[in-house]
Parts: sequence; C-alpha cells; structure tokens
Amino acid sequence: KNEVEQSPQNLTAQEGEFITINCSYSVGISALHWLQQHPGGGIVSLFMLSSGKKKHGRLIATINIQEKHSSLHITASHPRDSAVYICAVGGIGNQFYFGTGTSLTVIP
Amino acid sequence: SAVISQKPSRDICQRGTSLTIQCQVDSQVTMMFWYRQQPGQSLTLIATANQGSEATYESGFVIDKFPISRPNLTFSTLTVSNMSPEDSSIYLCSALNFNTEAFFGQGTRLTVV
Repeated sequence: KNEVEQSPQNLTAQEGEFITINCSYSVGISALHWLQQHPGGGIVSLFMLSSGKKKHGRLIATINIQEKHSSLHITASHPRDSAVYICAVGGIGNQFYFGTGTSLTVIP
Repeated sequence: SAVISQKPSRDICQRGTSLTIQCQVDSQVTMMFWYRQQPGQSLTLIATANQGSEATYESGFVIDKFPISRPNLTFSTLTVSNMSPEDSSIYLCSALNFNTEAFFGQGTRLTVV
C-alpha cells in the first residue's frame, strides 16, 4: 500500500474549467506539499500546507488533517497549467513520501 | 524561505561513466535528501545526506552506486556511478530548514545511452 494516493491519475480538461486533484495519505505528517512537474522534468513547489487553505493566483490548496486528505484546485484552467501535479507528505521521520502524480492536460 | 539550486537540470551520459549532481541551498538547512523518479514511478528516497558523516541509505540503494557528500549545511552532491540505461531517471534533492520547512530542487533528468 502506498503512503500517498492521488486521484485522478490522468485528467483532461477544456480551457477555463475548474480542476480538482485529490491526495490522501496514511502516515502522520509534519507538512504536505503540492509540486508541479513540467514536461521537461523540472519541479516547482507550489504550496506547503500544515493546516487550512492557501491561495496563490488561480491555485488553491486545502488540507484536512483529521481526514488525512488534501485537494489542489485550479480555477479558470489554461493550457500552460498542463503538467504533472505531485502530492508530497513530510513524514514524522522528516523524509517525504510522494504520490504517483496526476497528469493534467488542458485543451485550448 | 530557502532556495535550492540543483545542477545540472539534465544530462545525457554514456553507459559506464559517472555523473555528479549538485544541490546548493542559499541558507543553512538541517537535513538534505536525495530522491529518484524512474519513468512512470513516483519519487523514491535514495538516502538522507548527513553533514560530516556517511549518508543513510534506503533499502535497495548502496554507497558504491550512489556516493553522497554533504560537507556543510548548505551543499550536497549525489553521484550516479558506473551508469547503465536503468539509471535513466529524474533525481531530486530536498532540504528541511530549522523551522522544518521543506524545499525542493528543480530536478535533474538523466538519460543514459
């Protein structure tokens, strides 16, 4: 069993659609990160969450510690949002556990 | 917050050679980690880089294949030794600062031919 489960694995959306990516985890955590991996492989950290909700531009991330669940939302999606989105949870032992990623394609 | 500069961002290497990947953090951090992402897989921890001592390797990873250095609190290197095509992956470093905030490098895409 994976410590971090993401859904969906693949997602295709029309430009402008509201997108939600989900992450569930089974370990005790110190923090949760959402990462964006571009087609060339470069990785960017979008959010670090330990509680509640954060917003950055069109991106919103929420976490429910009791339910061990986080969501990443993209409002008014755009083709440049096409990437793989990875959920990473920081375990109590300080190492990170990564989800397998959600591959998002936004069609113009 | 800290910024991690990871180099190179990508490389194509001949089998049998070695590649050293560097991660430089712009402030002191307590812990640094190295991960690997094989094609179609999630990121997997290779080892924890310990400052001034030998790295702590996860099951399936050994020092002879992935020697790691961490000479100070801001810098670490991972070497992929005697490469084969199976080593073609993305390699990623991350760090934790004294406030337990985590930061990630940009990743290194390695292709072995």
